Amino acid sequence: SQQGEEDPQALSIQEGENATMNCSYKTSINNLQWYRQNSGRGLVHLILIRSNEREKHSGRLRVTLDTSKKSSSLLITASRAADTASYFCATALNTGFQKLVFGTGTRLLVSP
Amino acid sequence: SQTIHQWPATLVQPVGSPLSLECTVEGTSNPNLYWYRQAAGRGLQLLFYSVGIGQISSEVPQNLSASRPQDRQFILSSKKLLLSDSGFYLCAWDGTSSSGNTIYFGEGSWLTVV
Repeated sequence: SQQGEEDPQALSIQEGENATMNCSYKTSINNLQWYRQNSGRGLVHLILIRSNEREKHSGRLRVTLDTSKKSSSLLITASRAADTASYFCATALNTGFQKLVFGTGTRLLVSP
Repeated sequence: SQTIHQWPATLVQPVGSPLSLECTVEGTSNPNLYWYRQAAGRGLQLLFYSVGIGQISSEVPQNLSASRPQDRQFILSSKKLLLSDSGFYLCAWDGTSSSGNTIYFGEGSWLTVV
């Protein structure tokens, strides 16, 4: 079964606006990662946040992690049409072998 | 730098026919390798992973099998395809850092079983 659940399933905004996507998970984790997928393509890693971190930044991306609520958020600031894609969270469980378990994704549409 | 190649990119196969999807990784040694499947509009499901040559772990019972004949080669196979095998298949490898494993994906293979 899926570990992560993204919310919302779809998000439509205008260029320049901020986009916020949320991810909830069920079990304790070692780290949580966000990936991006353009339509029909492979996934691209965006950012990794460890379980002992609360916030991380990379360019226009900001990720937060609340382990007490078992949730994470991805904020894309000043969005661009090129940000249009599906975004997935993935959790690495506290097991010896770090398999990533992916959520179902948020489809982001940024209109010019 | 490391690269991952996956082929074929698109495949249309009749029910009952065999399948072979290949994946190779360059620029790294002894990577952990993965096969994921993504149904239309869905998340990724881990099918197989491998920590070394000849070492395959299956995550879900299914009509598919995987093999790792060489350190940087991972193959996904089926003897007889089912309609339900249709989907987008992604090969991946992971790079270990002090923070954790990051997965690097190939461009995927679209399989349509007709």
